[in-house]
Amino acid sequence: SAVISQKPSRDICQRGTSLTIQCQVDSQVTMMFWYRQQPGQSLTLIATANQGSEATYESGFVIDKFPISRPNLTFSTLTVSNMSPEDSSIYLCSVAPHRNEQFFGPGTRLTVL
Amino acid sequence: AQRVTQPEKLLSVFKGAPVELKCNYSYSGSPELFWYVQYSRQRLQLLLRHISRESIKGFTADLNKGETSFHLKKPFAQEEDSAMYYCALTFQGGSEKLVFGKGTKLTVNP
Repeated sequence: SAVISQKPSRDICQRGTSLTIQCQVDSQVTMMFWYRQQPGQSLTLIATANQGSEATYESGFVIDKFPISRPNLTFSTLTVSNMSPEDSSIYLCSVAPHRNEQFFGPGTRLTVL
Repeated sequence: AQRVTQPEKLLSVFKGAPVELKCNYSYSGSPELFWYVQYSRQRLQLLLRHISRESIKGFTADLNKGETSFHLKKPFAQEEDSAMYYCALTFQGGSEKLVFGKGTKLTVNP
């Protein structure tokens, strides 16, 4: 298994600002994922972040808006840039230490005013 | 494109009653299907996966390729089963990324 922590757990931000969310894993993992869960919606994958390579973004998500860092095998950050109220969501990171199971962080609840 | 459909947003049953949470998928290849569960104030966690053919907490799910379904079933629901349930799909040989359904909130009444 893998234990994941995220910081911050929640934040309220003003539009136009940026927020960086941190994801820490208790073991080394190759694959790390960032998801968004908008109010009343399902989880949508933003990007896959592998250490040593550029993040791979899903359709509808771009690096300028959601830059991701993956400096080592236990840590990643997701930045939500130039925020608007539509970015209000829960952001989750997950890891897949072995095939066929992902472990999720507790999520970061973001509210943009 | 891959898609997962959970037609019921809310499902309410009484304790001891059978429960079935529906999941249909759309994918032209060989999918791998999962059920994830989120209990109140807890993080999302894996409940079961079709390749394991396992029963977890009394829940089972059978992959029906003809009907492209992966319904979750339990013969006798318990109050502690109340949670949000998400059906998810990934594809064999893929990058492990998951496509989620919108979820079904199950409430088991006493």
